[in-house]
Amino acid sequence: DIQMTQSPSSLSASVGDRVTITCQASQDISIHLNWYQQKPGKAPKLLIYDASNLEAGVPSRFSGSGSGTDFTFTISSLQPEDISTYYCQQSDDFPFTFGPGTKVEIK
Amino acid sequence: QLQLQESGPGLVKPSETLSLTCTVSGGSISSDAYYWGWIRQPPGKGLEWIGNIYYTGSTLNNPSLKSRVTISADTPKNHFSLKLSSVTAADTAVYYCARHRYRITTLRGVKRLYYFDYWGQGTLVTVSS
Repeated sequence: DIQMTQSPSSLSASVGDRVTITCQASQDISIHLNWYQQKPGKAPKLLIYDASNLEAGVPSRFSGSGSGTDFTFTISSLQPEDISTYYCQQSDDFPFTFGPGTKVEIK
Repeated sequence: QLQLQESGPGLVKPSETLSLTCTVSGGSISSDAYYWGWIRQPPGKGLEWIGNIYYTGSTLNNPSLKSRVTISADTPKNHFSLKLSSVTAADTAVYYCARHRYRITTLRGVKRLYYFDYWGQGTLVTVSS
C-alpha cells in the first residue's frame, strides 16, 4: 500500500495568515493526490483534486501543488470557518489511502 | 441536490455481521459516470477506504479487510449496501457512504482515478457485547 504522511499534525495560526500543509507519498503518485476538509462532527469535503484542481464551489483561497511524492496544500488567508482537519488522499493506486490529517486551529 | 444517507444498527456484537445501507436521492446509482462506496473513520482517528461498487455490480474492496467485505447495490431502490463480517472492536467507526466520481487516465498506463465528491453524514457503529 502507498503510505501517506502529513506535516505538521496540527497548527495554530491567526486569521488572515497563510497556512501551508505538506503531504508526502511513499512512492511516485504523479499528480493523483486529493485534499479533503473535515469539520468536527461532519463528513469530509473534497477541496482539491489531482493535486491542484479546485473543486467547484470551493473558495479560491485554497490551493494545492506538487507532483511525484511531495505535495503542498495552502490556505492563502485563514478564515475562522477554515477550522478543520485536512487530509490528503492518493488515488494513484489501489487501495486508496489517506494521510493522518492536519488539524488547523485559530490562534 | 444529491444526498446520501446511511442507515443501519448502531451496535453490533463481536463476531457478528455489520450491515449498512446508503440511500441515494437526487441522483441515480445506475449512472455510468460514478461508482459508489464506503469509507470509515474510527473515533478520533483517520480515514480508511473500504470499497466501492459500479452499477454493473463490479466491486473493488480494500485487501486489508480481506474477504470480510461485501458491497452490493439495489438499483431499483437506488441504494447500495455494506456488509462486514466477523467484526471486532477494531471495526468500531463512523461509516460514511460516498459517491466516487472517476476519470480514466493514460498518463502512466491506463488507470481509473477516483474522487470522493459527495458524502453521507456518517453513522457510528460500535462493536460491543
